[in-house]
Amino acid sequence: SQQGEEDPQALSIQEGENATMNCSYKTSINNLQWYRQNSGRGLVHLILIRSNEREKHSGRLRVTLDTSKKSSSLLITASRAADTASYFCATDWSTGFQKLVFGTGTRLLVSP
Amino acid sequence: DAGITQSPRHKVTETGTPVTLRCHQTENHRYMYWYRQDPGHGLRLIHYSYGVKDTDKGEVSDGYSVSRSKTEDFLLTLESATSSQTSVYFCAISGQGDRNQPQHFGDGTRLSIL
Repeated sequence: SQQGEEDPQALSIQEGENATMNCSYKTSINNLQWYRQNSGRGLVHLILIRSNEREKHSGRLRVTLDTSKKSSSLLITASRAADTASYFCATDWSTGFQKLVFGTGTRLLVSP
Repeated sequence: DAGITQSPRHKVTETGTPVTLRCHQTENHRYMYWYRQDPGHGLRLIHYSYGVKDTDKGEVSDGYSVSRSKTEDFLLTLESATSSQTSVYFCAISGQGDRNQPQHFGDGTRLSIL
């Protein structure tokens, strides 16, 4: 399986703290994407980082990519209760059409 | 949210019955995908489509078939449902252009097979 692994599986923090989630994968990739899923809903795209990029920012999100270690991290700064959700990394590894392989996710709980 | 509608949202059925899930998009996107989500496995790709009548298998395609007769509709069929196909099914779409495009997801169909 080419499935990625995410670490930690669950994370509990207080509002205002930073949250860091890590993703490791197995094969060469075209890009890596992070998604958020609120309970009972579909996934929402957060950020995409290409294989030739090392860092990307979007609002309170910072994503890094280390292709030599086949790993990525998602940092959420100044967390809010509304950030409570599951977060998934997904890698586009295929040579043909885009096909994503998802990690198993990190459940983030942000307490007020 | 992107214009993606999945139907039904919930379904309970019995082993051995046929089941069809529908994904409808209003974005005119070329690519459409069906995933299933199970605890401990994340999302796994079942089938995908790269155009009308153009489909291919994903990672977990056994027991599933798909059809796409119009750009906006992508159907997933379980010919003879089994309890192992109890899951939450998500449809996703992505646009044309280079491959560095995000996928946009529907809200899922929760399917229980008794």
